[in-house]
Formats: sequence, structure tokens, C-alpha cells
Amino acid sequence: EIVLTQSPGTLSLSPGERATLSCRASQSVSSSYLAWYQQKPGQAPRLLIYGASSRATGIPDRFSGSGSGTDFTLTISRLEPEDFAVYYCQQYGSSPPPFTFGPGTKVDIK
Amino acid sequence: QVQLQQWGAGLLKPSETLSLTCAVYGGSFSGYYWSWIRRPPGKGLEWIGEINHSGSTNYNPSLKSRVTISVDTSKNQFSLKLSSVTAADTAVYYCARGRRTIFGVVITQPLDYWGQGTLVTVSS
Repeated sequence: EIVLTQSPGTLSLSPGERATLSCRASQSVSSSYLAWYQQKPGQAPRLLIYGASSRATGIPDRFSGSGSGTDFTLTISRLEPEDFAVYYCQQYGSSPPPFTFGPGTKVDIK
Repeated sequence: QVQLQQWGAGLLKPSETLSLTCAVYGGSFSGYYWSWIRRPPGKGLEWIGEINHSGSTNYNPSLKSRVTISVDTSKNQFSLKLSSVTAADTAVYYCARGRRTIFGVVITQPLDYWGQGTLVTVSS
């Protein structure tokens, strides 16, 4: 099973600042099958990034993903008030499953 | 527009069986794998398992002995049963659309549509 770790656990920033979130895998993620999700309180997770760097439908271009192998990054170029949330990475390429999630990074208002 | 709507009992006693159902509206039902995921309070997301329209399943090994996922293609629904629940199974449970299948070939893709979530509390 691929174990994902995320850092930092909490990121305290102000609107307009740049956020850089890290996701590291215990072994190489097949074909960069790495996704990022955003979750706000009381809501279901929302797919932001898939294939490590492709934005999902309707996701603003201030969100970008990069990385390969075992190291991945989600960058929010300029934080908007609605971006303060928890972010999870997930690998979805292991065969057979399980498709594991990281523990999450909370981005909160400084 | 794809929509997932889920329901089920929200309060269980220890040793009971959790039962949730998810209905899929819009889009193709037979062309995808359908997953269950949970989020315990104060913790991260955990993938529970998936099923396709043929009933082929994959489960998280950590829960495999207690989990059954089934499908009803006539209603475009799939269901989760988790037996012998304890307080550690208290969580918000989500259903979601996952991998795609085209002519029997599995296309890897992430979880792109999610249900609204159901809070399940296990307490005596």
C-alpha cells in the first residue's frame, strides 16, 4: 500500500499570499496518478487536480499542481477568501487498490 | 449533469451493521467504478472500496473482513454494508464516481463526483 504524507499540517496565510502544499509518497506513484481535493466544512471533497498537474473542470488557474515519482506539490498562486480549506492528496493508480489519501493540509487565515 | 444522492441510518449501536445507499442520476452508470470513502472526526479521508456495474469489487484491506459493497443496476444504485461497527467507525461517509471502463478496459481516473455525505455515529 502506498502511504502518502502531507506537509505542513497547517498553513497560516493571508489572502493574496501564495500557498505551497507538499505531498510525498512512500513509493513511486504510477503514471503520476496523483490528485488533489479541497474540502470545506460540511461539504464533500472537490476534485481540483488530477494526473499531478491537470486542472479539473471549472477550477481556477490560480491552482496548479506539479511533481512526479514520489514528490508532488499543489500551489495556490494568490489565496482568495474561499480557498481557506483542507487539501488532500490521493494516489489512484495502484493496482490493485486501495487508493490512499494523505492526512491533509489545513490552510487557514493568518 | 451527474448527481449522487446517498442515504442511510445515522445512529448505530456497537456491533450493529452500517447500511448506506447511493443513487446515481445522469451520465453513465455502467461505465464506471463507484466508491465509498469515509472521514472520521478530526481525521483524514479513507477509501473503503469500489464496485462496477458487473459487481466486481475491490476493498481496502484494513476493512475487507467487514465490508460488502453491492450494486443494483436496475435502479442505478450501489450500497455499502459494514458489519460489527464500533465507535472507531463513526465518520462521515461519502459515495463517489471513480475509474472508468470502456469495453472492459479500466481507465484510471480520480473521484470526480461525490455524494453529499452521511454522518454515521456509533454509540451505545
